[in-house]
Amino acid sequence: SQKIEQNSEALNIQEGKTATLTCNYTNYSPAYLQWYRQDPGRGPVFLLLIRENEKEKRKERLKVTFDTTLKQSLFHITASQPADSATYLCALDTAGGFKTIFGAGTRLFVKA
Amino acid sequence: EPEVTQTPSHQVTQMGQEVILRCVPISNHLYFYWYRQILGQKVEFLVSFYNNEISEKSEIFDDQFSVERPDGSNFTLKIRSTKLEDSAMYFCASRSASGGAFGTDTQYFGPGTRLTVL
Repeated sequence: SQKIEQNSEALNIQEGKTATLTCNYTNYSPAYLQWYRQDPGRGPVFLLLIRENEKEKRKERLKVTFDTTLKQSLFHITASQPADSATYLCALDTAGGFKTIFGAGTRLFVKA
Repeated sequence: EPEVTQTPSHQVTQMGQEVILRCVPISNHLYFYWYRQILGQKVEFLVSFYNNEISEKSEIFDDQFSVERPDGSNFTLKIRSTKLEDSAMYFCASRSASGGAFGTDTQYFGPGTRLTVL
């Protein structure tokens, strides 16, 4: 079955630094991959989608890369701020988009 | 900005009771989803719904669960006989069907209903 793995350990970084989060997947060749942000007690919020034919996607301070050979996506937040502290989820759509599988998420703490 | 709404925000029930969780998806969306998240665990897919029928369901979505779109605006999840392990946050999501590849459509999540089974 398809699996998504994200760093289970929390990531602690200093304000202004770049945070890099990793997502690895197995037993699947997705056409695209998504990243979401989740705050405690809230629903996931969509951030970025990257397609298999795109190496990199940017949105403001966010950057996502997608390596289909390594079966890996990296998610970067540059010039991080305490407000970026949250859990970041990687997700894949399967079954023609009718089923989304989420990774367990990586908790990011940005210290002022 | 349009948003997905869910009611109630918190539901407490006794084991064995039926519960109905309600969602109002974004009005022009055609694809609907339910997910659950047990405290401290990952978001798990339950079911997707399109064109008035279930498109996909997970192994979690057994005969105790059902979904319905009773009118043009609501999307409900019913759990017939709740168990202690059904305690979780339940999220509804919706997605539009725009022209072009399906993958360009974003899923919008509601704020969730926290279900506590005693």
